[in-house]
Amino acid sequence: DGGITQSPKYLFRKEGQNVTLSCEQNLNHDAMYWYRQDPGQGLRLIYYSQIVNDFQKGDIAEGYSVSREKKESFPLTVTSAQKNPTAFYLCASSIGASSGNTIYFGEGSWLTVV
Amino acid sequence: AQSVTQLGSHVSVSEGALVLLRCNYSSSVPPYLFWYVQYPNQGLQLLLKYTSAATLVKGINGFEAEFKKSETSFHLTKPSAHMSDAAEYFCAVTSDTGRRALTFGSGTRLQVQP
Repeated sequence: DGGITQSPKYLFRKEGQNVTLSCEQNLNHDAMYWYRQDPGQGLRLIYYSQIVNDFQKGDIAEGYSVSREKKESFPLTVTSAQKNPTAFYLCASSIGASSGNTIYFGEGSWLTVV
Repeated sequence: AQSVTQLGSHVSVSEGALVLLRCNYSSSVPPYLFWYVQYPNQGLQLLLKYTSAATLVKGINGFEAEFKKSETSFHLTKPSAHMSDAAEYFCAVTSDTGRRALTFGSGTRLQVQP
């Protein structure tokens, strides 16, 4: 089936540790996105990529890093510089750069600091 | 900059009653507007979107929304609530200028009472 796969579903991070969330899509979409969701705050954009080997910071990029080496993959690394990383992380993709295109979401990953 | 305001973080209706979830947007250019639904621990699913065609947009599960430029609103409605409609609903905006990623409201949690 076509879709967006995020892994792992649940992840625990120790203080000072970097962790990477995986996002893979087989929809042949050019654009990919990472959002963070906290209770009562909706979704906030971390990073987005309109094309392979290019990405832009969103509203809350500090403490996060991404890469886009392949069209189907857009991993997110939560670094030790992110002081409050506990949240629900959502990866998404869309077919192209037009803003009228639908953005499709994965099932999300929970990250908890222990 | 674009923004979305969702009035009411929690809305409760009786089964069979009208559902009205409010969304107001701010955008200096013609917007594209979206409504998404999220069930617990899951990603977001598109309900409907406005892309400058018809101002009354029909979506899945009996939902519809009307774009009113004069009121900068895009409220979501459903004539008769069903228990399965209980979820969190997000309004989002984007445009063809600047950042081509969705900006979300803070969400409205819909409860449906039997």
